[in-house]
Amino acid sequence: EIVMTQSPVTLSVSPGERATLSCRASQSVSSNLAWYQQKPGQAPRLLIYGASARATGIPARFSGSGSGTEFTLTISNLQSEDFAVYYCQQYNNWPPVTFGQGTKLEIK
Amino acid sequence: EVQLVESGGGLVQPGGSLRLSCAASGFTFSDYKINWVRQAPGKGLEWVSDISSRGLKIYYADSVKGRFTSSRDNAKNSVFLQMTSLRAEDTAVYYCARDPGYYDSSGYYYSYGLDVWGQGTTVTVSS
Repeated sequence: EIVMTQSPVTLSVSPGERATLSCRASQSVSSNLAWYQQKPGQAPRLLIYGASARATGIPARFSGSGSGTEFTLTISNLQSEDFAVYYCQQYNNWPPVTFGQGTKLEIK
Repeated sequence: EVQLVESGGGLVQPGGSLRLSCAASGFTFSDYKINWVRQAPGKGLEWVSDISSRGLKIYYADSVKGRFTSSRDNAKNSVFLQMTSLRAEDTAVYYCARDPGYYDSSGYYYSYGLDVWGQGTTVTVSS
């Protein structure tokens, strides 16, 4: 099973600034990685798939990069609605699909 | 509107059973793999199972293998998760989610992530 490790656990950033979230895989997952956003009481929302492709309707301020074992989600010009928990997910070696433990992005 | 709606959650005693349903609308249901993902209170996301578009390929997490069974009825645009021998650690919000990927001719599956999620249904296992 591939273990996904996200860092940091909590990230404090001011509105208008840039947030950089990291995700590391215990072995290569190629570009088979997705990022999700989850707000309290809501289902997760797909942001990025294929490591760097934005899902339908996702603003351009969200960008993904990386391949192999190291991945990054960058959120530029943070808006109030962006403060949430973010999860990475690998779907290269499946089953099982595995998720990271999440990064909570909070307002500084 | 593309939508998934879960139902069937509730309070059940340890060792009991429960059947979750996931009803789809707004898209051609029989074209898509459906996943079940759960989230224990205050915890992260855990993949539980997935079932291919025609129900011919079904996979489970080790934590539920032998206790949970996924099935689907494409005529009714629905997927089901039959849960038996429930344990306290199965307590979670259960989501169904659509995967818009496909199998190629060699049987390799290309995923595009989970692009549509239901609102979730809560399962509580407690005496």
